[in-house]
Amino acid sequence: GAGVSQSPRYKVTKRGQDVALRCDPISGHVSLYWYRQALGQGPEFLTYFNYEAQQDKSGLPNDRFSAERPEGSISTLTIQRTEQRDSAMYRCASSLVQGAYEQYFGPGTRLTVT
Amino acid sequence: ILNVEQSPQSLHVQEGDSTNFTCSFPSSNFYALHWYRWETAKSPEALFVMTLNGDEKKKGRISATLNTKEGYSYLYIKGSQPEDSATYLCAFWDSNYQLIWGAGTKLIIKP
Repeated sequence: GAGVSQSPRYKVTKRGQDVALRCDPISGHVSLYWYRQALGQGPEFLTYFNYEAQQDKSGLPNDRFSAERPEGSISTLTIQRTEQRDSAMYRCASSLVQGAYEQYFGPGTRLTVT
Repeated sequence: ILNVEQSPQSLHVQEGDSTNFTCSFPSSNFYALHWYRWETAKSPEALFVMTLNGDEKKKGRISATLNTKEGYSYLYIKGSQPEDSATYLCAFWDSNYQLIWGAGTKLIIKP
């Protein structure tokens, strides 16, 4: 595709439910990143992949958060047993490769946990 | 623990004035330094990717310099315009491919 896409754009869920957020990176981009963004704050790094391999998951807040990219393209961020504090904008980005190439960000998924 | 700091946190500048702000990062194990521009309710957009000590990059009225030996990068905006109002973020990659973002400098241009 022309850019990074994310779905759904908005998600409202009840506390305790699991949610899955999808990211479709720019075609051919090796590296894919997940971020969380609180209102008015900069991006908080969660994790990133090169191809299907998860390179760094040090930013995942706890074990309720997980991510996968099984075929090296589309990625899913899953939050289990959601809590109100998980409410935020979740952004995905991709880059040609890690490090020396800029990241292109998707429009984000606004998650609200009620 | 890697730490990336941006200063100042926020900055009010009169339209037409020039300004600059700083990103400080570890001076060892440098790999790359990115600058992004982020307008609230939009996605961050890349301004520059810098990889070599002494790099200078320019895009229109915005430019950046890099000093990897002392661990800092400056972003300059010449002749600020209202559309420059945004948060400017830097992101540091070390040679172990660890990525750390700064908290950003919020720039507000006063007409």
